[in-house]
Amino acid sequence: EPEVTQTPSHQVTQMGQEVILRCVPISNHLYFYWYRQILGQKVEFLVSFYNNEISEKSEIFDDQFSVERPDGSNFTLKIRSTKLEDSAMYFCASSKTSGSAGELFFGEGSRLTVL
Amino acid sequence: DAKTTQPNSMESNEEEPVHLPCNHSTISGTDYIHWYRQLPSQGPEYVIHGLTSNVNNRMASLAIAEDRKSSTLILHRATLRDAAVYYCILRDVGETSGSRLTFGEGTQLTVNP
Repeated sequence: EPEVTQTPSHQVTQMGQEVILRCVPISNHLYFYWYRQILGQKVEFLVSFYNNEISEKSEIFDDQFSVERPDGSNFTLKIRSTKLEDSAMYFCASSKTSGSAGELFFGEGSRLTVL
Repeated sequence: DAKTTQPNSMESNEEEPVHLPCNHSTISGTDYIHWYRQLPSQGPEYVIHGLTSNVNNRMASLAIAEDRKSSTLILHRATLRDAAVYYCILRDVGETSGSRLTFGEGTQLTVNP
């Protein structure tokens, strides 16, 4: 069964460093998402991406964050200068369709620890 | 997204049916009802969704009240692997962008052997 894959599974970084989290969405999917989950808290939406541009972003997704699809298969989330509060599980997701009837397929997540 | 209300936790025994309730009294006529679950240390996983009629798939059944103000996710025979947090989420049929899922606290399901 096709799946969304994410790398790395765990990254430890120093505060202020740049981090890139990578995702390979399911191959025929057109819509891509990043979510995060701080330990013990709810899963939170960060951003959605379609046709090489951001279609929606949350208030969490500030100027420190960026996304891109550099080569038609990978979908990346960059945090330019990490803060302690960026420590969380980051989940990539993809879907074939947009809209309310579409189902999202999530990856296993990348755990980011900022020291 | 309209708000949903779920019990914080529920417990079940292995191989017994489980009924997970969700209240959504402010649901609009264009809201789909989605269920996702999150197993420990994993990403959320789609379970099922519906609009008005009851729905069945290989994972579960979704029973939707006639007034659509509540719904119930039914796991017909719970297994230990079904222990997870279950999220009931409403999504407006009018959404056309790659739009967000808004996760609440969900229901933590414990399955006893």
